[in-house]
Parts: sequence; structure tokens; C-alpha cells
Amino acid sequence: QVQLVQSGPEVKKPGSSVKVSCKASGGTFNIYAITWLRQAPGQGLEWMGGIIPVFGTADYAQKFQGRVTITADESTSTAYMELRSLRSEDTAVYYCARGYSHNLWGQGTLVTVSS
Amino acid sequence: EIVLTQSPGTLSLSPGERATLSCRAGQNVSSNYLAWYQQKPGQAPRLLIYGASSRFTGIPDRFSGSGSGTDFTLTISRLEPEDFAVYYCQQYSSGSSFGQGTKVEIK
Repeated sequence: QVQLVQSGPEVKKPGSSVKVSCKASGGTFNIYAITWLRQAPGQGLEWMGGIIPVFGTADYAQKFQGRVTITADESTSTAYMELRSLRSEDTAVYYCARGYSHNLWGQGTLVTVSS
Repeated sequence: EIVLTQSPGTLSLSPGERATLSCRAGQNVSSNYLAWYQQKPGQAPRLLIYGASSRFTGIPDRFSGSGSGTDFTLTISRLEPEDFAVYYCQQYSSGSSFGQGTKVEIK
């Protein structure tokens, strides 16, 4: 059974960076889009960007352009999302999901930004 | 970015009743690249409908999607206790964006 397993919770200082991983197991990794989304406490879902690992080129939401980098390592079936210049408003649960309509989700990673 | 507006914000219904959720797009959603998700507290969202009207694997047939262009609807024919949750629509025809969600609560 295909699963997406994300890295654990993070606590970061304002101005720092965070890198969250998403490892796929039990199925084909490189031909499906991997998308990153986030959900602030009590809020809705926000698309950040995505990548198709076999092509390697990422696409980003305009809001996050220049502050986020999404990469994928086909050899380990792992996708990564790095967010820089963190601020308190970036406190959220970050999800990876497969496909353009997201038929498989990671469990989510809580990133807390606090001084 | 295509802005999606969901209505109503909250729907108060009883088990067994019919739920009708609306999602309106600020511009045309080409190829009906519109999906619906259900989210319960503390859980990741679950895909219900893709391509505006196709049910994802394992989704009960009481869930149905319809619409095209800029107006889309998710219908739950008879609410079961486990259907009380928040529902989001998403377009993936131009980048991606989500509606703000509709909460279906027990009346």
C-alpha cells in the first residue's frame, strides 16, 4: 500500500529556515506530481507548489516565490520542501500530497515559528 | 490565481438530510479540473471527487459532484453521522487553489 510519510514536528525561530521531507513507500514515486500545501491553525488549505520528480522542475504559488524550494530525490523516493525567512504567520501544518487532485496525503508536519 | 468561493460557510443539518454545497470560481475552470475534499479535525483531507463529478475509489455513492465552468456543487444525498466535517473545493486547472471551506454540522 502506497504511503507518504513526512518528517517530524519542527520549532523554528523567526528568520530561520525549515526543510520538511516526504518519503513515498510501496509504489511508483517519480511519475506522479508531489504537491506541498499548508494549513494554519483553524484555517483552510493553501497550495504552495509542486514537482514531478522525473522532470525535476518545480512550480510555485506566487505567494511563496523566492522563499520556498521544492526538490525530489528519485533514488530515495523522497520529496522536500524548504521554506526560508520564517515568520510567525508560517506556523502551520505542512502536508505533502500526490497528484494534481490529491488522492494520497502525508500525515502532516507541524512547523511552529516562535521566538 | 483562480479564486474559489464556497457557500454556505456553515450548513446545519440532521442525519438523513440532503446536503448541497456550492463552489463558485472567479474564472472558468478548464477541463473541469475541480476536486472536493472532506476533512475531519486532526486529520489530513480526503479526496472525494475529482474531475468535477468522478468519485474517488472507495467513496460512497451518496457523495456526488456536478457542475462545469465556474459553478460546481457537491451533494451528499443522505447524511451519515461520519459525514459531519469540513468540505473544501479545489481547482487544479491553473496552478491550484482552494475554497475557504464549508462546515457541515449536526443540527
